[in-house]
Amino acid sequence: EIVLTQSPGTLSLSPGERATLSCWASQSVTGGYLAWYQQKPGQAPRLLIYGASTRATGIPDRFSGSGSGTDFTLTITRLEPEDFAVYYCQHHGISRTFGQGTKVEIK
Amino acid sequence: EVQLLESGGDLVQPGGSLRLSCAASGFTFSNYAMSWVRQAPGKGLEWVSLIGGGGDDTYYADSVKGRFTISRDNSKNTLHLQMDSLRAEDTAVYSCARDMRGYDQPFDYWGRGTLVTVSS
Repeated sequence: EIVLTQSPGTLSLSPGERATLSCWASQSVTGGYLAWYQQKPGQAPRLLIYGASTRATGIPDRFSGSGSGTDFTLTITRLEPEDFAVYYCQHHGISRTFGQGTKVEIK
Repeated sequence: EVQLLESGGDLVQPGGSLRLSCAASGFTFSNYAMSWVRQAPGKGLEWVSLIGGGGDDTYYADSVKGRFTISRDNSKNTLHLQMDSLRAEDTAVYSCARDMRGYDQPFDYWGRGTLVTVSS
């Protein structure tokens, strides 16, 4: 079972700043099966990125994903007020494990 | 409109059993793999189990393997999770989630969840 580790645990930024979130896998993620989700309090997670770099339907282009093998990154180029939330990476292979999450909070 | 509605959550004693259900509507249920995902209060997401569209292929997280059983009834558009030998650490909101169509896909729709509390 792949273990995903996210960094940092919390990211304190201001609106308009760039956010860079990292996700490391304990073994190579074959097929690039790495997704990113956004979750706000009391809401279900929202799919942002899958296949490491493909934006889901309706996701703004300020969200981008990159990486391969064991190192993956979610970048939010300019934070909007609605982007402050918790972000999870997920291996979407046979074992659909999640990372522990990164909270992006307002500085 | 895709809808997923979980039910069956309850307070149960350690060592007890519980069966969760997820009623699906708004799509051809048998065409999609489905999963259960849980979230303990104030904690992160934990994938629990996945079942293929036909019901023959099932997968489990190590933390629940041998205790939980996932199943589906495609004639009733319903997903189930049978939970046995429950432990305090199984306390969480359990949600069902639908894969995007195809193999090895992420989740595109989620239910709102049902609360399972394991406590004496």
